[in-house]
Amino acid sequence: QSALTQPASVSGSPGQSITISCTGTSSDVGAYNYVSWYQQHPGKAPKVMIYDVSDRPSGVSNRFSGSKSGNTASLTISGLQAEDEADYYCSSYTRSVTLVFGTGTKVTVL
Amino acid sequence: QLQLQESGPGLVKPSETLSLTCTISGGSISNNNYYWGWIRQPPGKGLEWIGSMYYGGSTYHNPSLKSRVTMSVDTSKNQFSVKLSSVTAADTAVYYCARQSRAAYVPGGEFDYWGPGTRVTVSS
Repeated sequence: QSALTQPASVSGSPGQSITISCTGTSSDVGAYNYVSWYQQHPGKAPKVMIYDVSDRPSGVSNRFSGSKSGNTASLTISGLQAEDEADYYCSSYTRSVTLVFGTGTKVTVL
Repeated sequence: QLQLQESGPGLVKPSETLSLTCTISGGSISNNNYYWGWIRQPPGKGLEWIGSMYYGGSTYHNPSLKSRVTMSVDTSKNQFSVKLSSVTAADTAVYYCARQSRAAYVPGGEFDYWGPGTRVTVSS
């Protein structure tokens, strides 16, 4: 199965908003609302930031929000902070009864 | 507080079988609301889903690995395991175990608790 497509890198200044895209197909992102987003700092395990496209787990800042349009899901980080600098991965359930991750995006806070 | 911990050899020879176990503490593997999954990350690369399983026996695998992957659960020890056969250098990675929401009874939910990961190197 092919990984979902994410931009390799996205950057922004503190306080700004950035959006990371996650493009799949009508067999995964476009087919279900089972899209999740993970944040991973170097040497650490991933942490879920968004699940079911736009739901936020308890304890995750409301600066993180998710959405979906067609075959593309998006993660928006508003009020960018230094601690948001990390790698971000999306994931989606697929019609093949499998799960696929995105290629990953490195977020840099300028 | 739920905790997961991976264990297994850090070095495996090519063509041999990689075996890892995940021990769960602070919760039960027999919880109807969750799957238990394996994810790996080659050095400097992205995440790859290996598979997910339900304690009752259902298993789901990445089709690119399916013929080499075996997953199992030991409810008496509150553990689950993965075996990957015929390994090559391409299987060198950090392997994570994680709990996955069993939303709508399909392995599409989020992974909400992760182990710290264990590094496995395939080399002779």
